[in-house]
Amino acid sequence: SQQGEEDPQALSIQEGENATMNCSYKTSINNLQWYRQNSGRGLVHLILIRSNEREKHSGRLRVTLDTSKKSSSLLITASRAADTASYFCAIHDGGAQKLVFGQGTRLTINP
Amino acid sequence: DAGITQSPRHKVTETGTPVTLRCHQTENHRYMYWYRQDPGHGLRLIHYSYGVKDTDKGEVSDGYSVSRSKTEDFLLTLESATSSQTSVYFCAISQGRDNAEAFFGQGTRLTVV
Repeated sequence: SQQGEEDPQALSIQEGENATMNCSYKTSINNLQWYRQNSGRGLVHLILIRSNEREKHSGRLRVTLDTSKKSSSLLITASRAADTASYFCAIHDGGAQKLVFGQGTRLTINP
Repeated sequence: DAGITQSPRHKVTETGTPVTLRCHQTENHRYMYWYRQDPGHGLRLIHYSYGVKDTDKGEVSDGYSVSRSKTEDFLLTLESATSSQTSVYFCAISQGRDNAEAFFGQGTRLTVV
């Protein structure tokens, strides 16, 4: 079974609003990563947060990590139509160097 | 863009035939991964490689084999294709360790009829 479980599976908001996606996992991690996938394309790396970090920012993206709860969240502020995509969290276990993905959240930004 | 190329990009094959997908990188990254993507399942790891001739199984390895005889090439073989292996296959590369960001190819759409 996949290590990353994402919630919600789909999210639809108005342009300008903030979008929050959550990821839960089951085992210890070395780092957790977030990726974006536009329809029919390969995944693009957004941000990486290490197991000893609690929060990280990159432009309009904010990622938090709570290792005690085995969960992470991705916040996209001031959403734009171009943010419409699927977003995936990925668990990096460090030891075996596996990178295991969740099922993804389909985000739709309505103009 | 990271130098990673998948071939072919599209393939239709018949049930029972062997199929090989190729992933080629020009980045000299140590780690290479094969995933399949299906609706409702996200990306699932099939096999991965941590060096030349060093490979290991992922979540959904049954019916698939891999080989890595050179740093730049990672081959995925469906030994006897089945309709359940109809999917989009993605290859990814990573330096691993502290540089664990993965770069993805554009995908191969495989249809088994």
